[in-house]
Amino acid sequence: EVQLVESGGGLVQPGRSLRLSCAASGFKFDDFAIHWVRQAPGKGLEWVSGITWNSDDLGYADSVKGRFTISRDNAKHSLYLHMSSLRVEDTGFYYCAKDRGIRDWDSIDCWGQGTMVTVSS
Amino acid sequence: AIQMTQSPSSLSASVGDRVTITCRASQYIRADLGWYQQKPGKAPKLLIYATSSLQGGVPSRFSGSASGTDFTLTISSVQPEDFATYYCLQDYNYPHTFGQGTKLEIK
Repeated sequence: EVQLVESGGGLVQPGRSLRLSCAASGFKFDDFAIHWVRQAPGKGLEWVSGITWNSDDLGYADSVKGRFTISRDNAKHSLYLHMSSLRVEDTGFYYCAKDRGIRDWDSIDCWGQGTMVTVSS
Repeated sequence: AIQMTQSPSSLSASVGDRVTITCRASQYIRADLGWYQQKPGKAPKLLIYATSSLQGGVPSRFSGSASGTDFTLTISSVQPEDFATYYCLQDYNYPHTFGQGTKLEIK
């Protein structure tokens, strides 16, 4: 069974940094792209960032480009999101999500339960 | 970034109704579009990938189609468990982008 477990969320002041982690199991981690998707309270889904199976292609939403960095450690079956210069509007649930394409882009087919990030003074 | 314009933002339907939700892409995205269902307090669930392919375990009353840059999710006969919010997501290129969502409510 595919499992994605996020951690690292919490309350942080504007301008500070936070690192999210996602531990994956139940599938061949190094074959799949992985993404971060967020959802502000009561709002819609926003794709934040994605990384290919071998880390050779990274992507970011315009709203986070230059402030967030995605990375992965295939040996540890883990995905990370380093978030810096955090803003109030970065508040939301952050989901780790697996792509369905084997060593290729496709739709997201599995999601974690999310970790809440609150940016507030 | 590619813009995905989803409509309507909300929709009221009765059990047994046929409903249609549309996403329009601001540029060519091939067939690289998926549809998701999200219920309150839950993670989204993939329904359709590559425009029209049904994800495993998803009822056949869900279907997807496209005409140019217009993509459509159809529920042929809405069931009580289908009342939820639906999103499209283009995965043609980075950054991937979601539609704004459609909340399907009981009439």
